[in-house]
Amino acid sequence: DIQLTQSPSFLSASVGDRVTITCRASQGISSYLAWYQQKPGKAPKLLIYAASTLQSGVPSRFGGSGSGTEFTLTVSSLQPEDFATYYCQQLNSYPWTFGQGTKVEIK
Amino acid sequence: QVQLQESGPGLVKPSETLSLTCTVAGGSVSSGSYHWTWIRQPPGKGLEWIGDIYYSGNTNYNPSLQSRATISVDTSKNQFSLKLSSVTAADTAMYYCARVHDFWSGYYGPFDAFDVWGQGTMVTVSS
Repeated sequence: DIQLTQSPSFLSASVGDRVTITCRASQGISSYLAWYQQKPGKAPKLLIYAASTLQSGVPSRFGGSGSGTEFTLTVSSLQPEDFATYYCQQLNSYPWTFGQGTKVEIK
Repeated sequence: QVQLQESGPGLVKPSETLSLTCTVAGGSVSSGSYHWTWIRQPPGKGLEWIGDIYYSGNTNYNPSLQSRATISVDTSKNQFSLKLSSVTAADTAMYYCARVHDFWSGYYGPFDAFDVWGQGTMVTVSS
């Protein structure tokens, strides 16, 4: 199985901050990576697919980059509604796997 | 707009079979651009992919479930289902169904991603 390791697991940030989350894959996955946002008690929401393509309706302050084994999710200016847990997911090969999550909390 | 809704018992006894159904509204399970999947999340933990199914009936499963999972599709009811046998307390989780979209990025792809999710249903395994 392909392992995904997110860093950090937890981060504390303020409104307006630029935030970057890293996702590292245990082997190359080309650009077959998605990012999701999950708020407490809610289902995850797709933010980015194909490593860098913004899903329709997602604010442009979210951005994704990377290919191969290292990927990043960036929020250019954190908004109050962005405090949540973020997961990366590889869809390069079965079984599809998720990172362990990064919880973004208010400083 | 497509919506997914999970349904099934919220309590299952150990060693029994967990059975859940996902009803697709506003779209068709037979659409060739999509296929369908189940994911679970134990309380306070991360996401685990269970398996997926195409409208043709072709399936893929997570080996971690040791062949206990079976996913099926009923095109006449516009539903797909999950059965998980021989459950234990470790199977206690929120179970989500989702749509897998085959996205194209220019000439490249398809790139799969889970673009529509159900609200989830909590299943507790306990006697």
